[in-house]
Amino acid sequence: EAAVTQSPRNKVAVTGGKVTLSCNQTNNHNNMYWYRQDTGHGLRLIHYSYGAGSTEKGDIPDGYKASRPSQENFSLILELATPSQTSVYFCASSDWGYNQDTQYFGPGTRLLVL
Amino acid sequence: GDSVTQTEGLVTLTEGLPVMLNCTYQSTYSPFLFWYVQHLNEAPKLLLKSFTDNKRPEHQGFHATLHKSSSSFHLQKSSAQLSDSALYYCALRRPSGGSNAKLTFGKGTKLSVKS
Repeated sequence: EAAVTQSPRNKVAVTGGKVTLSCNQTNNHNNMYWYRQDTGHGLRLIHYSYGAGSTEKGDIPDGYKASRPSQENFSLILELATPSQTSVYFCASSDWGYNQDTQYFGPGTRLLVL
Repeated sequence: GDSVTQTEGLVTLTEGLPVMLNCTYQSTYSPFLFWYVQHLNEAPKLLLKSFTDNKRPEHQGFHATLHKSSSSFHLQKSSAQLSDSALYYCALRRPSGGSNAKLTFGKGTKLSVKS
């Protein structure tokens, strides 16, 4: 089973502050994704990456940046956090080829912006 | 763009009764369809996937048939168990790789099974 870890698991931030959420996977997967999960909206894609050095905008990228410095690590950055960004954030990874459709999710990060 | 529509909100069932969670989709391509399941305080994980019209993948007693003619991929199980209580997501992916590797998720259906 593929392993994806996230840190921190819980975070309280102040409005206007900078927040960095980190994701690590040890499965040598090329693809990595950041989602947020909100009741009534399901899982929405924020940013994704096809490999080290690449980032792509997902469906709701406004207010977020992403960084993929290595195959293993993918960060989500909120430069100026707002209360509307209070949510649960999931990172996921997937491989190329036939299995690229199976996304393996991390445990999630609960972010509260006050 | 692509979209996925699921049974809205909460579905409550008594243990032993059949489960059916609806999923329909819109896409200009001929997409692959998936069901992901998320138990309370856990991460989502893949339950089923289908690439082929009218094939019926099965896992853990659940099955779903992709019907391209009706753009549907409903999730079914003959007899609900208490442990099936979870949030279920239907998702699609365009058939080719590259930038099409991303999934489009529905809003999720919460299944609650009671004794």
